[in-house]
Amino acid sequence: GDSVTQMEGPVTLSEEAFLTINCTYTATGYPSLFWYVQYPGEGLQLLLKATKADDKGSNKGFEATYRKETTSFHLEKGSVQVSDSAVYFCALSTGNNRKLIWGLGTSLAVNP
Amino acid sequence: AAGVIQSPRHLIKEKRETATLKCYPIPRHDTVYWYQQGPGQDPQFLISFYEKMQSDKGSIPDRFSAQQFSDYHSELNMSSLELGDSALYFCASRRFLGHGAGELFFGEGSRLTVL
Repeated sequence: GDSVTQMEGPVTLSEEAFLTINCTYTATGYPSLFWYVQYPGEGLQLLLKATKADDKGSNKGFEATYRKETTSFHLEKGSVQVSDSAVYFCALSTGNNRKLIWGLGTSLAVNP
Repeated sequence: AAGVIQSPRHLIKEKRETATLKCYPIPRHDTVYWYQQGPGQDPQFLISFYEKMQSDKGSIPDRFSAQQFSDYHSELNMSSLELGDSALYFCASRRFLGHGAGELFFGEGSRLTVL
């Protein structure tokens, strides 16, 4: 079945460091790919998405490129801030129902 | 802009009690999803509805039931509550766009604590 595998956390970085959170997927058909962010005590917010191969999603300095050849959707940010501390979930959706299939989440802590 | 509204935001129940969570989707959204997120875990898909009919079913226990009403709001009913049901329950909605990638919009979640 469809699945998402993402890098285990926690990830701890200093402010202004470069961030990469790896995400790979297995899916039949042509999935759409998403990164969601969950700040402490809050709900899930869509960070960025890509709907077809080679699409790049970007938002708030974060980027991810849909790589069909490597079945990956790695999240990157050039310079993280303390306010980026959160849990990041990679997810995919496919089929008519388009329910989301989630990775296990990666906790990011950014220290000043 | 209107978002997905969930109520109550917090709920405390005792074992074997029942609980009902409500979800009001964004206006004109016809599809609702329910997810359960345990502490430190990824969201687990429970059930979804499209146009008031169940469209998909995930890992929803038999003790739970849900429905979508004529105004498109949805309710998740949980009976014979167990300690392990303590979790954050998310509702999400979208407008069905056929094969398009209609974005899911999430509510802020209802936190259920079973004592």
